[in-house]
Amino acid sequence: KAGVTQTPRYLIKTRGQQVTLSCSPISGHRSVSWYQQTPGQGLQFLFEYFSETQRNKGNFPGRFSGRQFSNSRSEMNVSTLELGDSALYLCASSLLLGNEKLFFGSGTQLSVL
Amino acid sequence: AQRVTQPEKLLSVFKGAPVELKCNYSYSGSPELFWYVQYSRQRLQLLLRHISRESIKGFTADLNKGETSFHLKKPFAQEEDSAMYYCAFPTSGTYKYIFGTGTRLKVLA
Repeated sequence: KAGVTQTPRYLIKTRGQQVTLSCSPISGHRSVSWYQQTPGQGLQFLFEYFSETQRNKGNFPGRFSGRQFSNSRSEMNVSTLELGDSALYLCASSLLLGNEKLFFGSGTQLSVL
Repeated sequence: AQRVTQPEKLLSVFKGAPVELKCNYSYSGSPELFWYVQYSRQRLQLLLRHISRESIKGFTADLNKGETSFHLKKPFAQEEDSAMYYCAFPTSGTYKYIFGTGTRLKVLA
């Protein structure tokens, strides 16, 4: 089985721009969650989707949004980028909801200049 | 507040020495606890979970509800154990995982 695929691998943007990140879960996995990883904060939960519905959202501003499609693929969007948004964005998929093992992608490294 | 605390950012041990990575949690219920590991240039992956009580790569972790801890232990560290380790639990009812800030383990030859 192919693992969780995230594209693009690297992104460089400037302040004020917007960005869209993509995640394809493992085939058959219906839950996709997103995390922001930074050296000082570790992994911070952004949101989780299951069957195209956002089940929970972390403590991030409204500039961070996402969605999930009928094939379970997910996208994450960040508008009006700020320098502090520079981070590694990780996507994880799991078969079901809650208490399930997470399978992570390699991440998208976003740099905001 | 729901929180995972990993007090050590960096832990260095010599090969063959015992290792213990500390994890304390703050949660009102009984969480299902996990340890995830990220080796150099690899993806974050599950190392072990409390409910399965398995020993993976020689690592074990015991849940101590009284001390709200889930420390990761290995009796004899190997150089290939050098990695970043994260303790985590999903908050029931919300399906949101809380991760600690991670501990970098360096095993010296």
